[in-house]
Amino acid sequence: EAGVAQSPRYKIIEKRQSVAFWCNPISGHATLYWYQQILGQGPKLLIQFQNNGVVDDSQLPKDRFSAERLKGVDSTLKIQPAKLEDSAVYLCASSFQGRNEQYFGPGTRLTVT
Amino acid sequence: ELKVEQNPLFLSMQEGKNYTIYCNYSTTSDRLYWYRQDPGKSLESLFVLLSNGAVKQEGRLMASLDTKARLSTLHITAAVHDLSATYFCAVANSGTYKYIFGTGTRLKVLA
Repeated sequence: EAGVAQSPRYKIIEKRQSVAFWCNPISGHATLYWYQQILGQGPKLLIQFQNNGVVDDSQLPKDRFSAERLKGVDSTLKIQPAKLEDSAVYLCASSFQGRNEQYFGPGTRLTVT
Repeated sequence: ELKVEQNPLFLSMQEGKNYTIYCNYSTTSDRLYWYRQDPGKSLESLFVLLSNGAVKQEGRLMASLDTKARLSTLHITAAVHDLSATYFCAVANSGTYKYIFGTGTRLKVLA
């Protein structure tokens, strides 16, 4: 069974630029999560989807971050414009349903200079 | 609001020794996970604990859950260098299954 796929793996941008991350969850998984993990901290949930609907986006900085999951499968997370404090690893995870175990992708390491 | 605290934050121990990592959470939950993260890597699921008194063991690691005390422990028996990593607990908010992660415990096992 293929795992959660993410791309790119690494990205370096200048502040005020835009960036987008892509996630392909495990086939059949209805719930998809985007987390931000700043160095030395635990992952922080940014947004949770159930199929293509948003369950929780309370910690998503909506003035600059956006995410979509149009067909209930792949998802993209966008930052526009980026700030220095957005430097982090962005992790995508999926689960069969919200109450089931999450499986994490390899993450995208973003550096904002 | 659900909050999750782990202690200690850092743990340096000798090979062969035993130690326990603690995870406290602030509101009721029906599931708790333990994850391992190696430097530069993603998170690997270790255990899921679903009920009061649940105990899971894998190799030198054993996790337990006390829902009344809102406490989970990860016990390390006879530590080996390969266990060096950061360990996170994550607690699910009942209903929405929004997961809140602890701060992590960075474990270093000295040979």
